[in-house]
Amino acid sequence: DIQMTQSPSSLSASVGDRVTITCRASRTVSTYVNWYQKKPGKAPKLLIYAASSLQSGVPSRFSGSGSGTDFTLTISSLQPEDFATYYCQQNYGTPFSFGPGTKVDIK
Amino acid sequence: QVQLVESGGGVVQPGRSLRLSCAASGFTFSTFGMHWVRQAPGKGLEWVAVTWSDGSNTYYADSVKGRFTISRDNSKNTLYLQMDTLRAEDTAVYYCARDHGYYDSSDYSTYYYMDVWGTGTTVTVSS
Repeated sequence: DIQMTQSPSSLSASVGDRVTITCRASRTVSTYVNWYQKKPGKAPKLLIYAASSLQSGVPSRFSGSGSGTDFTLTISSLQPEDFATYYCQQNYGTPFSFGPGTKVDIK
Repeated sequence: QVQLVESGGGVVQPGRSLRLSCAASGFTFSTFGMHWVRQAPGKGLEWVAVTWSDGSNTYYADSVKGRFTISRDNSKNTLYLQMDTLRAEDTAVYYCARDHGYYDSSDYSTYYYMDVWGTGTTVTVSS
């Protein structure tokens, strides 16, 4: 099975900050990585698919990069509505695993 | 509009069974694969199971294999999750999600992602 790890597990940031979250797969997953945003009491929301493609309707301040085993989600200028938990997920092979999440909260 | 609505959650004793449903609307259900994903209290997202658009293939997380069964009725636009021999650790909010495929002609690959999600149904396993 492919294990996904994320760092950091949490971070505190201010509105306007640039935020970078890292995700690592236990073996190569090519670019079969998606990123989701999760807020308490809400359904997960797709942000990035295929490692770097921005989902329709998602603000351009979100971007993704990486291939193989190392991936990054970047928020170029953090907005108040971005405080949430972010998850990477691989769909290279079953079971389709999620990372443990990175919680972004207000500094 | 495109929508997924889960139902069937509740409180159940350990060892008992429960069946969740996910009603789809606003899109051609029979042409999309479907997932179940869960989130236990205070924990992260956990992928549970997937079924192909025609139900011909199903895959499960190790934690539920042999106890849970994903199925679908395309004539009713409905996805199911039959959960047997429930354990306390199955307590979670369960989400259904649509599996969308994107073909990238630059590398001849098809990428899949969960683009539409329901609002979730809560399952509590407790005596």
